[in-house]
Amino acid sequence: DAGITQSPRYKITETGRQVTLMCHQTWSHSYMFWYRQDLGHGLRLIYYSAAADITDKGEVPDGYVVSRSKTENFPLTLESATRSQTSVYFCATFGGRGYEQYFGPGTRLTVT
Amino acid sequence: SQQGEEDPQALSIQEGENATMNCSYKTSINNLQWYRQNSGRGLVHLILIRSNEREKHSGRLRVTLDTSKKSSSLLITASRAADTASYFCATDTTGNQFYFGTGTSLTVIP
Repeated sequence: DAGITQSPRYKITETGRQVTLMCHQTWSHSYMFWYRQDLGHGLRLIYYSAAADITDKGEVPDGYVVSRSKTENFPLTLESATRSQTSVYFCATFGGRGYEQYFGPGTRLTVT
Repeated sequence: SQQGEEDPQALSIQEGENATMNCSYKTSINNLQWYRQNSGRGLVHLILIRSNEREKHSGRLRVTLDTSKKSSSLLITASRAADTASYFCATDTTGNQFYFGTGTSLTVIP
């Protein structure tokens, strides 16, 4: 199906483990984004990518790594998960005409 | 620090009433967008207003933008129970980075 998907939808991991959250889009949009959503903070930009092999830091990049070898995929890796990274993570693409973003359904990550 | 801040944080109204929420931001923008988020779901784009526009309508939505005050408002007319959601403003600064506010939680009571 066309659109943007995220996997897994729910994840529980332990402190210190590496975790990768996946994001896949079928529109071939150039821009992709990763946000985290926490109570009291709204959505905060972690990383974004303007095209394959081009990534840049957002507002809260520490502790995260991204890559974008293909236009359609934009994985987010927590190299050594911490409790402060417990959050809901949203991936988004940047549409063309109208300049709106399209969001995935989110991944709820709990770090114990 | 975040670019956008919504006000109020929470709003509760009766079905049929109008709902108004406000967004303030800090720096110059290319455009401002409003999104809706239903509980447990991703955000859905509602409306975009460019920096050279002052007002825009889409169905029951009316958005205003005052760049001199760095503020925007979203008006939902004749609210329905299905409008219950959180609403976020997002500012697009140069470089295609989007900054979201903390959101307004709207409850429409049937």
